Amino acid sequence: DVKVTQSSRYLVKRTGEKVFLECVQDMDHENMFWYRQDPGLGLRLIYFSYDVKMKEKGDIPEGYSVSREKKERFSLILESASTNQTSMYLCASSPSTAPLRQFFGPGTRLTVL
Amino acid sequence: EDQVTQSPEALRLQEGESSSLNCSYTVSGLRGLFWYRQDPGKGPEFLFTLYSAGEEKEKERLKATLTKKESFLHITAPKPEDSATYLCAVQPYSNAGGTSYGKLTFGQGTILTVHP
Repeated sequence: DVKVTQSSRYLVKRTGEKVFLECVQDMDHENMFWYRQDPGLGLRLIYFSYDVKMKEKGDIPEGYSVSREKKERFSLILESASTNQTSMYLCASSPSTAPLRQFFGPGTRLTVL
Repeated sequence: EDQVTQSPEALRLQEGESSSLNCSYTVSGLRGLFWYRQDPGKGPEFLFTLYSAGEEKEKERLKATLTKKESFLHITAPKPEDSATYLCAVQPYSNAGGTSYGKLTFGQGTILTVHP
């Protein structure tokens, strides 16, 4: 079975801190994605990557950056965390050939105080 | 712009009371429509992929159907363990020479609660 793991299930940070969220997949997938999920807003795409060192902005990239140095690992970086970045963060991966089904990690609940 | 609207936002059923969840979508060209189940505090879990109008997929008490404008998730004789949020998402084909890289646009989900 495909496994997507995220570095933390729960994280509490202070305003202004630099925050790293890490995601690892074990199925050699080309595509990886970062979403945030908020009540009433659903899943919104922050960034995605289709290859090592390649990245594309999603729908809400402001305040975030990403890094993909190895195929299996995709990191989301909050350069200076703010309270409005308190959310559930979900990582997903998918192959580059059909079906392009996304496999999700368990999520990281981030609270910024 | 691709859009997905799910209804109702929340649905309460008695055990055994069958019903349907709706997913209406607009997309430039549909590569696939996906249904996921999400339990509280967890990541979405894949249920079905539908590719073309008229297609149906079944899994236990769930059946997903697809038309050109919407998809339905039918739940037959639900049990309390079917309680979850059900998410619908569409995946477009690439356009204008670009590629979608398998991006999904999600609806807001339907929260299903099944009472014993």
